[in-house]
Amino acid sequence: EIVLTQSPGTLSLSPGERATLSCRASQSLSSDYLAWYQQKPGQAPRLLIYGASSRATGIPDRFSASGSGTDFTLTISRLEPEDFAVYYCQQRVTFGGGTKMEIK
Amino acid sequence: QEQLVESGGGLVKPGGSLRLSCAASGFTFGDYYMGWIRQAPGKGLEWVSYISSSGSSIYYADSVKGRFTISRDNAKNSLYLQMNSLRAEDTAVYYCAKMAIWFDPWGQGTLVTVSS
Repeated sequence: EIVLTQSPGTLSLSPGERATLSCRASQSLSSDYLAWYQQKPGQAPRLLIYGASSRATGIPDRFSASGSGTDFTLTISRLEPEDFAVYYCQQRVTFGGGTKMEIK
Repeated sequence: QEQLVESGGGLVKPGGSLRLSCAASGFTFGDYYMGWIRQAPGKGLEWVSYISSSGSSIYYADSVKGRFTISRDNAKNSLYLQMNSLRAEDTAVYYCAKMAIWFDPWGQGTLVTVSS
């Protein structure tokens, strides 16, 4: 069973800064199966990225993602106030533990 | 647009049962796998179960195997989760979601609280 480890657990940044979130798999996986979600307090998760690098419908282009094998990255180029949330990576039925993005 | 609406959550005693429902609209329900994912208070996401488009293939997380049963009614555009022998650790918000390789969209969730 693949384990997904997200780091850091918490990321403290200011609006306008660049955010880099990591998702590391315990074994190599197909990029086709890696997705990223955003969850705001009291809301359901929302799909951001699928297939490791494709933005879901309506997701701003400040969100980008890349990676292959065991190492995957979600990047937010310039943080907007609405981007402060928890981010999860997912592969098949496994979710990472999440990265909480908080305002510094 | 695609929409999922869960219902059926509530407070139940340990050992009790509950049936969750998920009503789908805005897409051809019978063409897609569907899944349930839960989130305990203050915790991360945990996949619970998923079912193939026809209902012929079903998978469960080990944590719920033998206690939970997923089903669907394609004529009613509905997904279900029958939860038996509930435990305190089953307390969570339960989300239904349309599955490709990823989950999208998600419903708003329904809270299940298992407590005496």
